[in-house]
Amino acid sequence: SQQGEEDPQALSIQEGENATMNCSYKTSINNLQWYRQNSGRGLVHLILIRSNEREKHSGRLRVTLDTSKKSSSLLITASRAADTASYFCATASRGGADGLTFGKGTHLIIQP
Amino acid sequence: GAVVSQHPSRVICKSGTSVKIECRSLDFQATTMFWYRQFPKQSLMLMATSNEGSKATYEQGVEKDKFLINHASLTLSTLTVTSAHPEDSSFYICSALPGQRNTEAFFGQGTRLTVV
Repeated sequence: SQQGEEDPQALSIQEGENATMNCSYKTSINNLQWYRQNSGRGLVHLILIRSNEREKHSGRLRVTLDTSKKSSSLLITASRAADTASYFCATASRGGADGLTFGKGTHLIIQP
Repeated sequence: GAVVSQHPSRVICKSGTSVKIECRSLDFQATTMFWYRQFPKQSLMLMATSNEGSKATYEQGVEKDKFLINHASLTLSTLTVTSAHPEDSSFYICSALPGQRNTEAFFGQGTRLTVV
């Protein structure tokens, strides 16, 4: 079942600006993952943050996790046109043994 | 990172025919694989969990007789869409979970199925 909700559903910014996407979920989790999907293509794993972690960085990506609020955010700094894609959060319970529950996604457009 | 290969990437079939999609973990053994479906402009929905050597577990609303899943080895799971209809047209994507829990799941490239 769909438990993640991302906002905004769509975001359009200028190249070079920062993009922030939020994700909320409903049940307890072991980890939360963010993925990117270019139109009509497969998923690219961006970052995984475990329930005992609060913040993680990977290159221009910064992810936060607040388990008390059941929410996460993905920040992309210094955006590039190539960052244009849909971004999904996905939560895992039972270590991922039950699969991932994906949010509805944020469609990000970077204007050159 | 680990590689999951999904084949075919695109398939067009006639209504009433069956289509088989393969998902292989190339460099690790996957006791558990998952099948997701994604309709246009929507998110991914888990269809079923495939465990090696046992019957798949289907999510509510997914017809097990229509979407046959076989996980005969630790590196291969197949999804067969039987008697396909145009409403089955979708993007199907598999993922594989390495033995260690609470780690990244690895996704295949997806299969775009079009039923005409």
